[in-house]
Amino acid sequence: AQKITQTQPGMFVQEKEAVTLDCTYDTSDQSYGLFWYKQPSSGEMIFLIYQGSYDEQNATEGRYSLNFQKARKSANLVISASQLGDSAMYFCAMRANYGGSQGNLIFGKGTKLSVKP
Amino acid sequence: NAGVMQNPRHLVRRRGQEARLRCSPMKGHSHVYWYRQLPEEGLKFMVYLQKENIIDESGMPKERFSAEFPKEGPSILRIQQVVRGDSAAYFCATRPAGSYGYTFGSGTRLTVV
Repeated sequence: AQKITQTQPGMFVQEKEAVTLDCTYDTSDQSYGLFWYKQPSSGEMIFLIYQGSYDEQNATEGRYSLNFQKARKSANLVISASQLGDSAMYFCAMRANYGGSQGNLIFGKGTKLSVKP
Repeated sequence: NAGVMQNPRHLVRRRGQEARLRCSPMKGHSHVYWYRQLPEEGLKFMVYLQKENIIDESGMPKERFSAEFPKEGPSILRIQQVVRGDSAAYFCATRPAGSYGYTFGSGTRLTVV
């Protein structure tokens, strides 16, 4: 069975510093995709970054980068130069790219990030 | 999210009533995923629909819940005889062509009193 584990219920970071949010996953599929979403207090789900299992380079999107370690089955999100607006819940998710899955995402329980001024 | 429209944004129902949640995906998109988010939890997949077809309902509770996506109009998630445990945020999502990321609607927050 596929599973996403986020072991940090809450994290604090000082404004302008970098922070790493942990995510490990479990799957027997060879082809899969990994996602990070941000959920601010307003409740919407905002797509941040994607990493495919066959991508050799770590994904980057502006201040977000994904530290993908396939052998360890980890896909940590790194946010550089934290801003107050980064305070939110962050969810790691996985999609199997074939097989019985119809493309639905499996989410972790999330990490609440608080950025201190 | 401007691309995927959900309404209502907030819905309050008394126990035993019916709740109807609507989702209109982006123009030209004929598929939707529904997810449920219980308080302090991540999102959990419920059902995947294409126009006029339920493709995967493996995450849907067996009783009281149903979903449809008619040829015309929005997708509807229907919860009959709601109970307090149905209180949650319900999201729908679609995947734009050419994008890896799924686009979510703003969600419907259902409160059962």
